[in-house]
Formats: sequence, C-alpha cells, structure tokens
Amino acid sequence: QQPVQSPQAVILREGEDAVINCSSSKALYSVHWYRQKHGEAPVFLMILLKGGEQKGHDKISASFNEKKQQSSLYLTASQLSYSGTYFCGTEMDSSYKLIFGSGTRLLVRP
Amino acid sequence: EAQVTQNPRYLITVTGKKLTVTCSQNMNHEYMSWYRQDPGLGLRQIYYSMNVEVTDKGDVPEGYKVSRKEKRNFPLILESPSPNQTSLYFCASRRLAGGLSYEQYFGPGTRLTVT
Repeated sequence: QQPVQSPQAVILREGEDAVINCSSSKALYSVHWYRQKHGEAPVFLMILLKGGEQKGHDKISASFNEKKQQSSLYLTASQLSYSGTYFCGTEMDSSYKLIFGSGTRLLVRP
Repeated sequence: EAQVTQNPRYLITVTGKKLTVTCSQNMNHEYMSWYRQDPGLGLRQIYYSMNVEVTDKGDVPEGYKVSRKEKRNFPLILESPSPNQTSLYFCASRRLAGGLSYEQYFGPGTRLTVT
C-alpha cells in the first residue's frame, strides 16, 4: 500500500523546474507532501484532499488527480533551498493512517 | 512554540539492553505516532495512538512497545533491542477533527545504534 514516488532522484540547475509524482494503487482520501533536509525532520509543505483544489504557495504547488490516484508536486524556478528529499504521504480514508513513499531526492545546483 | 521533542537525540546501546525513547508534544494533539527511517525505505510507521490509552500497530511493530498514559507523551520502548533496530526514529503528532486531514509535526529524530 506504500505509494510509489517518481523519479527517485533529480538534479537541477537553479531556476529550472521539476515535477515529482506520487501514485497509489488504492483510492485516496488525501495526499500530504513533506520536505526533509539532510539530518533534519520532515517539514510539512501541503495537503490535498479528495475533491479539493490544487494547492500552492510561493513557487511550489501540487495537484491531485482522483481518477488516477496520483498527485504531482511542481517546483518552479527552483532555488538552492529546495534541495532535500520530498516525501508524499497518503491516506486511504479518514482513519488518519498516513503511509509515506520512499522519497525523491532533489539536488539544486548553482 | 509548537513543537514535538524527543530524547535522547543519539543513542548507542548493546543488544538486549532495554531502552526508552521519550516523545512529547505541546500542541494538545490527539494523534501521535512513531516512524523509523531507513535508507531507501522512506518513513515506516511503527505504532500510533489516536488518544490517551488508545494505541495500535503500524506497519513494522515487531520488537517495539508504546504507551499513551498522558495526551502529550508517547514513549517508544525497545524491550530487547537487536542490531536490525538500528535506525533513525521520528515521533510525530497531528490534530484530529472529523473528516478533515491536518498536517503532521515531526520531532527532531533519534538516531539509534544497536551493537
């Protein structure tokens, strides 16, 4: 039931865009996105709920395709501070059980 | 400041020596959980609790125990640690509200090495 993230890793130049995908084989209730810097705890980015709208703040946004059970995280005009590992967490229902993907490592170079 | 605290941050122990990792949150969250993080495997849930005296197994509960006697505290207990429990552990908490999903706050992590 662990969601599948792709790609596993991506390297960008500062200012380039990236898309990280999160797919599930089960119907989803919500998708969470977190970013983890090396040696630190994961930090919340955003939640997308079933039936909800695309979310975003600053140059990071996300969408949730309920038919495909897939969410995508969009990072535009990437900054050095975007480097880290991005995790999606999925909930199948309102039971609050959050299952995380294995992560996508993002490196932004000058 | 809203936060989840864990102690200790680093721990090296020997096989079979019981240990406890403490976790506390100051946000009055109902939901608390423990995860372990291993390279390439992401965050795997060990145990979770939806309220005081209510705990349940996550995906990898073998070798671990938890208790929730107070709302703010959720200690993780390893009765007889083994080397395969060497990992990075995170405690987390969330607010619960009917039908809605709220962000999860993570503690700073505890790096455990069992020799």
